[in-house]
Amino acid sequence: QKEVEQNSGPLSVPEGAIASLNCTYSDRGSQSFFWYRQYSGKSPELIMFIYSNGDKEDGRFTAQLNKASQYVSLLIRDSQPSDSATYLCAVNRDNFNKFYFGSGTKLNVKP
Amino acid sequence: DTAVSQTPKYLVTQMGNDKSIKCEQNLGHDTMYWYKQDSKKFLKIMFSYNNKELIINETVPNRFSPKSPDKAHLNLHINSLELGDSAVYFCASSQDVRLSGDNYGYTFGSGTRLTVV
Repeated sequence: QKEVEQNSGPLSVPEGAIASLNCTYSDRGSQSFFWYRQYSGKSPELIMFIYSNGDKEDGRFTAQLNKASQYVSLLIRDSQPSDSATYLCAVNRDNFNKFYFGSGTKLNVKP
Repeated sequence: DTAVSQTPKYLVTQMGNDKSIKCEQNLGHDTMYWYKQDSKKFLKIMFSYNNKELIINETVPNRFSPKSPDKAHLNLHINSLELGDSAVYFCASSQDVRLSGDNYGYTFGSGTRLTVV
């Protein structure tokens, strides 16, 4: 079983819609959770991090964490074509300097 | 500009050659990493250094040898390159989570696309 699992997609949504990206993780001891966006041919860039159960909002992005169910999700409101990218979920457990990444979900936002 | 910079961006080489990738960060971070991203976008950690000390060494062939002359630099040398080494290699940096208690994730370099022919 992989440490972090994501649906590879592609997930296609129309412009202006809400895109919902999901991620599950295997280790209940995981403490910190991150979403990275990676455009084709570019490096991953941090969008959001979340530590506590519940929602965390930043602009059009909302991260949701449910530790009991071991999943973390990212909602993108008012999706734009520029949001089209691969979204990587990363998990840090034991507060050590090691992150486990999912293989990413490819998002296509259609104009 | 504050950043993590890697060189070269592209590297095409023949099987059996030895090559190096360099990485430098000016973010004041004390921990640096090498990650390998395969064709399916899966990012896997290879090495991590904290203040020049190797703290993470995943199951990586001995042909890969990291070197950290100081906490702002982490280089990766690869001997006897093989076809399977073709991938994108990312350098990253962060604060030491163990000390700071804060965890703001990584800052990645722009990547080095290695192609072994």
